[in-house]
Amino acid sequence: RKEVEQDPGPFNVPEGATVAFNCTYSNSASQSFFWYRQDCRKEPKLLMSVYSSGNEDGRFTAQLNRASQYISLLIRDSKLSDSATYLCVVGHNDMRFGAGTRLTVKP
Amino acid sequence: GAVVSQHPSWVICKSGTSVKIECRSLDFQATTMFWYRQFPKQSLMLMATSNEGSKATYEQGVEKDKFLINHASLTLSTLTVTSAHPEDSSFYICSASEGAIEQYFGPGTRLTVT
Repeated sequence: RKEVEQDPGPFNVPEGATVAFNCTYSNSASQSFFWYRQDCRKEPKLLMSVYSSGNEDGRFTAQLNRASQYISLLIRDSKLSDSATYLCVVGHNDMRFGAGTRLTVKP
Repeated sequence: GAVVSQHPSWVICKSGTSVKIECRSLDFQATTMFWYRQFPKQSLMLMATSNEGSKATYEQGVEKDKFLINHASLTLSTLTVTSAHPEDSSFYICSASEGAIEQYFGPGTRLTVT
């Protein structure tokens, strides 16, 4: 079993749609959780951290479920500029990346 | 925010030669630096973790004699791919941390071995 698994995607959605990604992790001792965004041929950039209480940043909402060992990312009112690969990252002593989910938002 | 640079951004080399990639933290002191490799359409794979002044810790399956990592100062780490082969062609990304969990990524180096 992979340490961090994500929805395989790709997700192709129209502008304005709401889209959700899930990610499961295997190490129950994991302590930190993040969503990164990676554009084609670029380095990953931190989108948001994921806290136990959940957190929201504008159109983006991240949630953590420790009992089921998964995190989620919800994007509301999606924009063309949201098209990217979204990486789930789980940290314990180091950071482990999911394979990423490709999102394409179409006009 | 914290800035990490990498040099070169793109390199082509012949099989059998060695390539050195530099990773610098520009406005903070990086106690820990990480090196990742990413093949097309795949996720980042951690290769090694290095702490300033000590030997790097390599992930299982990563040859330490082939991928030499030096973290001589709090702002610079280097990765040398020795005797590169076409299968080493990849996108190499470094990240740096100043002690907290959050990592700041460099822009990556695209290596092509012919």
